[in-house]
Amino acid sequence: EAQVTQNPRYLITVTGKKLTVTCSQNMNHEYMSWYRQDPGLGLRQIYYSMNVEVTDKGDVPEGYKVSRKEKRNFPLILESPSPNQTSLYFCASSLSGGGYTFGSGTRLTVV
Amino acid sequence: GQQVMQIPQYQHVQEGEDFTTYCNSSTTLSNIQWYKQRPGGHPVFLIQLVKSGEVKKQKRLTFQFGEAKKNSSLHITATQTTDVGTYFCAGHHYFGNEKLTFGTGTRLTIIP
Repeated sequence: EAQVTQNPRYLITVTGKKLTVTCSQNMNHEYMSWYRQDPGLGLRQIYYSMNVEVTDKGDVPEGYKVSRKEKRNFPLILESPSPNQTSLYFCASSLSGGGYTFGSGTRLTVV
Repeated sequence: GQQVMQIPQYQHVQEGEDFTTYCNSSTTLSNIQWYKQRPGGHPVFLIQLVKSGEVKKQKRLTFQFGEAKKNSSLHITATQTTDVGTYFCAGHHYFGNEKLTFGTGTRLTIIP
C-alpha cells in the first residue's frame, strides 16, 4: 500500500532532550515536507526537500533540523525541544510538486 | 512573507445546503491545491488548479482559481454528513519551489 509512515504517533518528552521523528515513504516520491499544525494557525511548513541531499527552510524552521540522505526517508530532528514545539506534526511526500500524501501525524508534547 | 487567508473559519450548515470556502493570497500563486482533513485525521489531497480562471468539478465539489491567480474557492452542493471536516487551500508562490503555504482552513459542520 502506498503510504507515508511516521513514527512515533505520540510522544511526550522533557525540555532539552533531543528527539527524532522518522518519516518514510514507499512511493519513490522526490519531494518531502514537514508541517506542524496548531489550533487556529493551520498547517505551517517547517522544512522541505526536493531531492536527496537538497533541503530548504519553510516558514517556521527555527528549532528544527532535517536530513535527506536517501529518497525514502526524511527525519525531523529537534536538538533541544522546548514547550512551544508542542504540536501535531505531519510528514508529506509528492511525486513532483503535485498533491501531497500525508502521514498520520505525530502528536508531540514537550513538558 | 507570503500569506494565504481563508474564510470563513467555521461554517455550520443544514444537511442538503450548499457550502463555500474562500481563499485569498497576498501574492500571485503558481498553483493552488485543496485538501480535506476529517476530525482526528490527516489532510487528504483533493485537487490542484494551475491555470488562470480554471474551474474543476469532482461530483458535488466545484473548485475555482481566480483570473489573477490570487484567489480560489471550493463550493459543495447539497452537503452530506460525509462532507464534515476542515478544508484547506494551499498555494505555491513560485514555480520550481516547494515552499507551500496553507490557508488557516474552514471547519465544516453538518446539522442532520
